[in-house]
Amino acid sequence: SQKIEQNSEALNIQEGKTATLTCNYTNYSPAYLQWYRQDPGRGPVFLLLIRENEKEKRKERLKVTFDTTLKQSLFHITASQPADSATYLCALVLNQAGTALIFGKGTTLSVSS
Amino acid sequence: NAGVTQTPKFQVLKTGQSMTLQCAQDMNHEYMSWYRQDPGMGLRLIHYSVGAGITDQGEVPNGYNVSRSTTEDFPLRLLSAAPSQTSVYFCASSYSAPQGVSSNQPQHFGDGTRLSIL
Repeated sequence: SQKIEQNSEALNIQEGKTATLTCNYTNYSPAYLQWYRQDPGRGPVFLLLIRENEKEKRKERLKVTFDTTLKQSLFHITASQPADSATYLCALVLNQAGTALIFGKGTTLSVSS
Repeated sequence: NAGVTQTPKFQVLKTGQSMTLQCAQDMNHEYMSWYRQDPGMGLRLIHYSVGAGITDQGEVPNGYNVSRSTTEDFPLRLLSAAPSQTSVYFCASSYSAPQGVSSNQPQHFGDGTRLSIL
């Protein structure tokens, strides 16, 4: 069966540390992978996308890797801050038009000061 | 530029009632979709539309209808509400690449409608 899993429901880290979130999938061949942030009571907000032929993407303190052999994406937040506390969702994009998305259940990150 | 606007933000219905969740976007996006988000289940696609007059079913379409008469609006109708439809509903929109063109655009989400069915 097709599955997309984010490795933990909750992740707690201290301010200043690097948070690493994992997204694993089976039986998919995604064209792209996207990461979103969701705050309580709000809709998801797009953060980064990475294509199947890219190994790594960066944006400010965020870094995403995509390993199509391992069927895994890692999402890193360096120098984490309490304001980074939120739920992070990964989404597989299954078609070239970019419209067929499958979402993971999310990992809730808590950064303590 | 308001982005994606969903109304109402909250709604309580009785079993068997019908209602329409509204979604409007002002970004001229061709693609629009509806998701429901339940604890432990993640976001699941209900229906989507690749342009005015074109709609299709997603993963969990039963009990819901959609139509797309304009580019801007994509309402979701609950025909006869059931307690299993208690959820948070999100509308999203994005650019959609033309046929044969590879592209990837982020989804823009509204802030959701929290629906309770008693």
